[in-house]
Amino acid sequence: QKEVEQNSGPLSVPEGAIASLNCTYSDRGSQSFFWYRQYSGKSPELIMFIYSNGDKEDGRFTAQLNKASQYVSLLIRDSQPSDSATYLCAVRGSNYQLIWGAGTKLIIKP
Amino acid sequence: DVKVTQSSRYLVKRTGEKVFLECVQDMDHENMFWYRQDPGLGLRLIYFSYDVKMKEKGDIPEGYSVSREKKERFSLILESASTNQTSMYLCASSLWPVPDEQFFGPGTRLTVL
Repeated sequence: QKEVEQNSGPLSVPEGAIASLNCTYSDRGSQSFFWYRQYSGKSPELIMFIYSNGDKEDGRFTAQLNKASQYVSLLIRDSQPSDSATYLCAVRGSNYQLIWGAGTKLIIKP
Repeated sequence: DVKVTQSSRYLVKRTGEKVFLECVQDMDHENMFWYRQDPGLGLRLIYFSYDVKMKEKGDIPEGYSVSREKKERFSLILESASTNQTSMYLCASSLWPVPDEQFFGPGTRLTVL
């Protein structure tokens, strides 16, 4: 059974600090990696994707991928209260289907 | 602006009833998906479709069926609702061939009594 694992949290981070979210996956043939954000009572929305090893930056968000260690992380710099949400990691496996983690709840404290 | 709509935000049904959940997208996407989301379990794929009249089972298809008669519409059917099907149901769509960026509808919270 191919799996994507995330710490469920909640992860509490002071406003202005860096929030670090982690995700591990079991399928070594995985090709693409995604971070979705889901506000309470809302549906998920894509915020970042990464295909290659290393870092990818988009504004305050940085996705990091390490295929050898089978983990992907999301860093949020200068965290804002509006970043409080559940962050879902999704991995496109070798069968081309997305496998979802259960999500990490992030709370940014003013 | 891309849009995926679902027929109901909240639905309450009784055990044994036949339930229809409908999803419509206006982005001309080939792929459409039905998920259920339960606390601590994340998104679980029920069925997906990559073309009209085509369907594929996901991870948890038991107790569900789907219909895709038109490209923009994908329906989820609970043949005989049971209490363990109480959940949030999310529809999504994406371009073919790979399901990378999925656009989600607002969800239907179904309660089966």
